[in-house]
Amino acid sequence: GENVEQHPSTLSVQEGDSAVIKCTYSDSASNYFPWYKQELGKGPQLIIDIRSNVGEKKDQRIAVTLNKTAKHFSLHITETQPEDSAVYFCAASMYSSASKIIFGSGTRLSIRP
Amino acid sequence: KAGVTQTPRYLIKTRGQQVTLSCSPISGHRSVSWYQQTPGQGLQFLFEYFSETQRNKGNFPGRFSGRQFSNSRSEMNVSTLELGDSALYLCASSGDRDYSGNTIYFGEGSWLTVV
Repeated sequence: GENVEQHPSTLSVQEGDSAVIKCTYSDSASNYFPWYKQELGKGPQLIIDIRSNVGEKKDQRIAVTLNKTAKHFSLHITETQPEDSAVYFCAASMYSSASKIIFGSGTRLSIRP
Repeated sequence: KAGVTQTPRYLIKTRGQQVTLSCSPISGHRSVSWYQQTPGQGLQFLFEYFSETQRNKGNFPGRFSGRQFSNSRSEMNVSTLELGDSALYLCASSGDRDYSGNTIYFGEGSWLTVV
């Protein structure tokens, strides 16, 4: 069945450095790739998304890249800050149904002061 | 614009009891999905409702059920609670725009502890 693999499961970076989280998906029909940030005790919050007709999207310190041929996409956070510490989830889905969204297993990002 | 609202936020139940969780989607959103989140299993899809009809269902036993009302508000019910049902239950809503993608927005969740 459809699957989204996410790596690494935990990541610790020095404040100010960059963090990269990678995901691969199995369903070649997937065409929408959101990223969510979940802080302790809260629900996941959408931070950025990308659709299959673009290869890269940036929003301030956050960027996402997509390689449809290789079926992988990545989240890049530059100039990391303490408030970036959270669990990050990637996901893949098709346009047609929100229920078909498949989530990765999550990456716990810790920013060291 | 208010986000997805879930109630209650925290609750403790005893094995064998039942529980009902409530979700109010973002105004104008007609699709509501429910997820179970546990440390070991991550985010697991329970079911999705659209216009009062269950559109899809995940691989959960029949003890897990839901419904959606005409105002798009949704409830999920778990009967005969088991210890393993302890989890964060997340509701998400979507505008269900077929041609523009389906961005889903999560609520803060309901923390259920079964003792």
